[in-house]
Amino acid sequence: GENVEQHPSTLSVQEGDSAVIKCTYSDSASNYFPWYKQELGKRPQLIIDIRSNVGEKKDQRIAVTLNKTAKHFSLHITETQPEDSAVYFCAATPYNFNKFYFGSGTKLNVKP
Amino acid sequence: GAGVSQTPSNKVTEKGKYVELRCDPISGHTALYWYRQSLGQGPEFLIYFQGTGAADDSGLPNDRFFAVRPEGSVSTLKIQRTERGDSAVYLCASSLTSGETQYFGPGTRLLVL
Repeated sequence: GENVEQHPSTLSVQEGDSAVIKCTYSDSASNYFPWYKQELGKRPQLIIDIRSNVGEKKDQRIAVTLNKTAKHFSLHITETQPEDSAVYFCAATPYNFNKFYFGSGTKLNVKP
Repeated sequence: GAGVSQTPSNKVTEKGKYVELRCDPISGHTALYWYRQSLGQGPEFLIYFQGTGAADDSGLPNDRFFAVRPEGSVSTLKIQRTERGDSAVYLCASSLTSGETQYFGPGTRLLVL
């Protein structure tokens, strides 16, 4: 099955700086890559996703890039704010988007 | 509109007991998923329903775990003879149909003493 690895496990940045979280996957059949934000005790919330026919996608301060050849994808958050502090999970899914394989999460701390 | 809801929000039980966890998907969503999230880990896939049938139950850890969705809407995850290792947050998600974005519920935090 698919194996998703996520780095770093923790990331601390100063407010206004950029944050980058990286994930690798093993199954070349994976074709959908969502990113979820999970605040303490809350449900995972989808923040951005990308499909394998696209190399980059941007939504305001958040962007995701995908390198299918290298089998890795990254989340970029610019101009970070304290409310960006949360745990971020990447996921990958092959065929039909039915079974998500999640990374182990990155705890982002944005210091005011 | 209303999102995915799960009940109870917290469940404490004793080792060996039986528990049921309920998920109400977003209205009109035909696909429903169960995940388990242990502390400090990402969600782990358990089972997926398309309509009333379990299309993929490959993530269920053993035969103590079972899930149903008799009318294609509400789903119940059932755990028999609970063990301390079953303690985790059980998340439910739904999507309009298979292949669409999954929206998560708030989870049920299960603690087996």
